[in-house]
Amino acid sequence: NAGVTQTPKFQVLKTGQSMTLQCAQDMNHEYMSWYRQDPGMGLRLIHYSVGAGITDQGEVPNGYNVSRSTTEDFPLRLLSAAPSQTSVYFCASSLRTQNTEAFFGQGTRLTVV
Amino acid sequence: LAKTTQPISMDSYEGQEVNITCSHNNIATNDYITWYQQFPSQGPRFIIQGYKTKVTNEVASLFIPADRKSSTLSLPRVSLSDTAVYYCLVGLSGGYNKLIFGAGTRLAVHP
Repeated sequence: NAGVTQTPKFQVLKTGQSMTLQCAQDMNHEYMSWYRQDPGMGLRLIHYSVGAGITDQGEVPNGYNVSRSTTEDFPLRLLSAAPSQTSVYFCASSLRTQNTEAFFGQGTRLTVV
Repeated sequence: LAKTTQPISMDSYEGQEVNITCSHNNIATNDYITWYQQFPSQGPRFIIQGYKTKVTNEVASLFIPADRKSSTLSLPRVSLSDTAVYYCLVGLSGGYNKLIFGAGTRLAVHP
């Protein structure tokens, strides 16, 4: 049982480049979300999805796009990377209803130079 | 969403019991209290959740007084491997499992 899988684990981008961070879960969870974590800080919610075809913005959505074409996958797209997007990105999944345990991936460490 | 306040950092020694208190004065009737643990370079991990009184599992205990305006995560006999950041989360928006994290408490366990 793989849980939540994020790829890549590390990435270096040049300013202005685009890329997609991948997130996949095999637990048939309806709810998936993306967070970023800057050094010494807590996690901040970027975007979330309550099911295939449904996405919504979190606390810090600017500069990021998401889509949810399947239950299993929830990719995060950076259209034009900026140094301010240097961070560690975590994907999480859970059942849709509140108060349920969320499972997090191992993170993607992104550096934008 | 209920705002939470917890200490920024704590220090302890191996074998001691550690209690981390979280204040959530405006907790709503339907809110649960949930704690997550995060090790360096890893994603957060669910530890424990409760609504009132006391909850215990193999990792920790959670104490919630009758007024539910605070809660205390108790880690018995900590070891070096318990060094981590602990997050208290209260209140979820819109019926979904949308987790909003604060800064957490950075626990350092010393030999």
